[in-house]
Order: sequence, then C-alpha cells, then structure tokens
Amino acid sequence: DGGITQSPKYLFRKEGQNVTLSCEQNLNHDAMYWYRQDPGQGLRLIYYSQIVNDFQKGDIAEGYSVSREKKESFPLTVTSAQKNPTAFYLCASSILNEQYFGPGTRLTVT
Amino acid sequence: QQQVKQSPQSLIVQKGGISIINCAYENTAFDYFPWYQQFPGKGPALLIAIRPDVSEKKEGRFTISFNKSAKQFSLHIMDSQPGDSATYFCAASRNSGYSTLTFGKGTMLLVSP
Repeated sequence: DGGITQSPKYLFRKEGQNVTLSCEQNLNHDAMYWYRQDPGQGLRLIYYSQIVNDFQKGDIAEGYSVSREKKESFPLTVTSAQKNPTAFYLCASSILNEQYFGPGTRLTVT
Repeated sequence: QQQVKQSPQSLIVQKGGISIINCAYENTAFDYFPWYQQFPGKGPALLIAIRPDVSEKKEGRFTISFNKSAKQFSLHIMDSQPGDSATYFCAASRNSGYSTLTFGKGTMLLVSP
C-alpha cells in the first residue's frame, strides 16, 4: 500500500519545547516537502529536499529544522524559536512537479 | 513575482450548478498549473493539472481552462454535487525538474443540496 504517512495525527506540546513531526513515503519519490497551513493562508513552504543529505529553505523556514538521511524519511523539528507553532503541518513528496500530500499533523502548542 | 492570486475566497453553488474558481499568476516562467482538493482535516489531493501547450483539459466533471496571454487559469466543476464541498487550491510552478509549487490561498466551496 503505497503512500505518505505522517504521525501523529494530533500533537500537543508546551511552549518552549522542541517537537519533531514524522513523514515517511514508500513511493520512491526523490523530492520531499514540508508545508504549514493556517486558516485563510493557503499552503506555505517550510523546507524541501530534492535528494538525500540535501535540503533547502522555503518561504518560512525560521524556527524549523529538517534532516534527510534516508530517501523515505523527512522529519521536521519545530523548535522553541518558532513564534507561532500551532498549525496544520503537511508533508508531500513528488515525482518531478506532481506533488502528493500526506494526511497532515495538527500541532497545538500551549 | 511569485504570487498566485485565487478568487473567490468562498463560493456557494446549488446542486447541479457550475462552480468556477479563478487564478491569476505573474511569473511568466510558470508552466505547470495543478489544482488540489482538500477536505477538512485531510491532506490536499491532486485533482487535475494543465500545461500551457493546451487551452483546456477535462477530466470527468472537472475542467481547467487556461489563458496564457492573460496569465489566468480556472477550474470549472460541472453538475456540482454536495460531495464536491471542499477547499480548492490552485498552484503553479516551472516545469523544470523538481521546481517548487506556489499555491493560491484557497477557495472554500459549499454545494447546497
């Protein structure tokens, strides 16, 4: 069963704590992406990676970090430096331009 | 330069009617234009996409119309159904390798029974 998995579906953290969101794909896609979605804001690109051990900042990378040690995995860490971390986080992977999204993780920081 | 402007923000259509969502872009280097459908609490799903070598693409009840000179493209949903109620996003990118997508802000469609 091919696809993109994100875990957990809901995540709650206290302010000041770092938290890591998981994203795994078994589609054999080279490129992976992280987006943040806020009501009325559309999808904003945080980081993307086109190949293992390489990644680039997107439009809103401040306060986030990523790693790409395996082709299948692209975890996102939301650090305590991110001022407004509460959001819906979406991971995607792509074959060239065609991006396919995971089910998302809703992060709530209080 | 990288913006994609989407309208309207929200749309209410009666069952059986035609839903029309419009997008405009500025970057003339864009040459891949997908539409995504997102249900509440779910990830967006790729619905249909067009490249500028054609002016229209149809898949079932969904049609993309593309106007290169006006730098505009639109999604038409024919015979709209309550199950089509969702948020729709247009996007654009350069059709070169793994170019990133620039998304519109979305249109919330409600199809009334």
